[in-house]
Amino acid sequence: QVQLVESGGGVVQPGRSLRLSCAASGFSFSNFGIHWVRQAPGKGLEWVALISYAGTKKSYTDSVKGRFTISRDESKNTSHLQMNSLRVEDTALYYCTKGGWSFDSWGQGTLVTVSS
Amino acid sequence: QSALTQPASVSGSPGQSITISCTGTNSDVGGFFYVSWYQQHPGRAPKLMIFDVSKRPSGVSNRFSGSKSGNTASLTISGLQAEDEADYYCMSYTSTTSSLVFGGGTRLAVL
Repeated sequence: QVQLVESGGGVVQPGRSLRLSCAASGFSFSNFGIHWVRQAPGKGLEWVALISYAGTKKSYTDSVKGRFTISRDESKNTSHLQMNSLRVEDTALYYCTKGGWSFDSWGQGTLVTVSS
Repeated sequence: QSALTQPASVSGSPGQSITISCTGTNSDVGGFFYVSWYQQHPGRAPKLMIFDVSKRPSGVSNRFSGSKSGNTASLTISGLQAEDEADYYCMSYTSTTSSLVFGGGTRLAVL
């Protein structure tokens, strides 16, 4: 069955970097876009970034533009979210999801805590 | 990107029906049929309940239905059950940024 497994979260100081990974299995990875969605503690869902199935389209929410970069590695069925210049307000559980304009599969998330 | 507007909370008794609204603009909810709804229980990942405004994924109860009128989408849950108590989020494609935007979420209490 479809599996999305996030990793790479942790505690990091403001201004530092972190790279999240999403390992996909159980479906044809190259045929689907990958999105990252985050949820701050006790808050709602926030769409963060997407990369199209061919990797040609990338899009980001305004608050992470210029700091986060989404990528995909077809050879490893993996997506990455490179997060630079992290801010306290980036603290959240980061989910990897698959799909076009709706998400039928979600990972369990990886927690990113930005704190001094 | 501005979030879509949902009521913070709704409640209902077992067996009743409730409706959760999701209001956007003609650049998102009103302009496209890419509205989806997600159910999230505490400590769990979200689950897709409705996509493309009114389509139900395989395995989702037919007690859940979706619709749209103008700039407002709605999720209706009929025959409320205790297990429906959760947070519900709407999401829509937005042409403003060619991306996606979530609603603020609605907490459903089954009294």
